[in-house]
Amino acid sequence: EPEVTQTPSHQVTQMGQEVILRCVPISNHLYFYWYRQILGQKVEFLVSFYNNEISEKSEIFDDQFSVERPDGSNFTLKIRSTKLEDSAMYFCASSEVSAGELFFGEGSRLTVL
Amino acid sequence: AQSVTQLDSQVPVFEEAPVELRCNYSSSVSVYLFWYVQYPNQGLQLLLKYLSGSTLVKGINGFEAEFNKSQTSFHLRKPSVHISDTAEYFCAVSETNTGFQKLVFGTGTRLLVSP
Repeated sequence: EPEVTQTPSHQVTQMGQEVILRCVPISNHLYFYWYRQILGQKVEFLVSFYNNEISEKSEIFDDQFSVERPDGSNFTLKIRSTKLEDSAMYFCASSEVSAGELFFGEGSRLTVL
Repeated sequence: AQSVTQLDSQVPVFEEAPVELRCNYSSSVSVYLFWYVQYPNQGLQLLLKYLSGSTLVKGINGFEAEFNKSQTSFHLRKPSVHISDTAEYFCAVSETNTGFQKLVFGTGTRLLVSP
């Protein structure tokens, strides 16, 4: 069964460092998303991406964050200068159509020290 | 803006007993409703969804949920749980005019099934 894969599963970084989280969405999907879950809190929407541009983003998704689909298969989330409060589980998701079911990856746990 | 409330952070239940996980939502517009399950060390998996039509929706693994517009609820039920149902369950909503793109999640309910 096709699935969304994310790497790394866990990354530890120092505050101020840049981090790139990678996702390989399901191959025929056109809509891509990042969500995050701070430990003990809700899963929160960060950004949606379609046709090589951001279609919607939340207030959390400030200038420190960016997304890219560099090569037609990967979908990346970059955090330019990590803060302690960026520590969270980051989930990538994809869907075939805008009103289609979201398929989530297993998540990438980011720990900022 | 929408919000989702899952009042029970943890629900312990014995195997083969029935279970109900509660979800209430708040929204000024019409919504789609979802239940996701997260097994340990895995991603979020869609259990079921309500888009329109019959208010009782059936999902995978024997789960069902009922949309109650007047009570703004979408409680998840299973008549007889298994040990393998132990997981975190998330209720989520999205506005119908944004489709599935922007889900708003509840804080989750951990279902603990013991023998």
